[in-house]
Amino acid sequence: GAGVSQSPRYKVAKRGQDVALRCDPISGHVSLFWYQQALGQGPEFLTYFQNEAQLDKSGLPSDRFFAERPEGSVSTLKIQRTQQEDSAVYLCASSFQADNQPQHFGDGTRLSIL
Amino acid sequence: GENVEQHPSTLSVQEGDSAVIKCTYSDSASNYFPWYKQELGKRPQLIIDIRSNVGEKKDQRIAVTLNKTAKHFSLHITETQPEDSAVYFCAASEFYFGSGTKLNVKP
Repeated sequence: GAGVSQSPRYKVAKRGQDVALRCDPISGHVSLFWYQQALGQGPEFLTYFQNEAQLDKSGLPSDRFFAERPEGSVSTLKIQRTQQEDSAVYLCASSFQADNQPQHFGDGTRLSIL
Repeated sequence: GENVEQHPSTLSVQEGDSAVIKCTYSDSASNYFPWYKQELGKRPQLIIDIRSNVGEKKDQRIAVTLNKTAKHFSLHITETQPEDSAVYFCAASEFYFGSGTKLNVKP
């Protein structure tokens, strides 16, 4: 079956532009996570959804970052007024149930801010 | 919040040797510890996980041990092969990842 799908795979934007990154989780997966991965580092937690409810957004680095999952399936991570330090790979993961379950990751979106 | 430290950052072994990667965590309430393998430019993939009610778990050449008292857990890969070369990440719960270990297995 299909895995977690992220689009676009690559995104180049000028500083100050807004960007939107999409995640299609595995069908039926309750939990959805967003991470930011800088080069040579581990994934850093951004936010977590259980169905459509955003249960934890403590990792979002500033109010320029916003995530939603309105119907409990597809999720979008939006970054407003992008800055160079936003350049990273943004990973999405989903899991079948809530609470400490194996995650399935997407290939990520590599965001470059010029 | 939780703090996960991972060592070493790089590890080079000869094919057939064993490799050990160690992680420590700070939150005694953590009870789920997955390990992921990430090849260059690819997605992290779960290779093994352990929950706090067991001390060791094995899957073929891979094993993980957990010491809850000391709050550390380790990944052991035996009979390493060149295709084991990748970056390995530990995690405490779904949210907190270590900084990664780049494993290089020399043929």
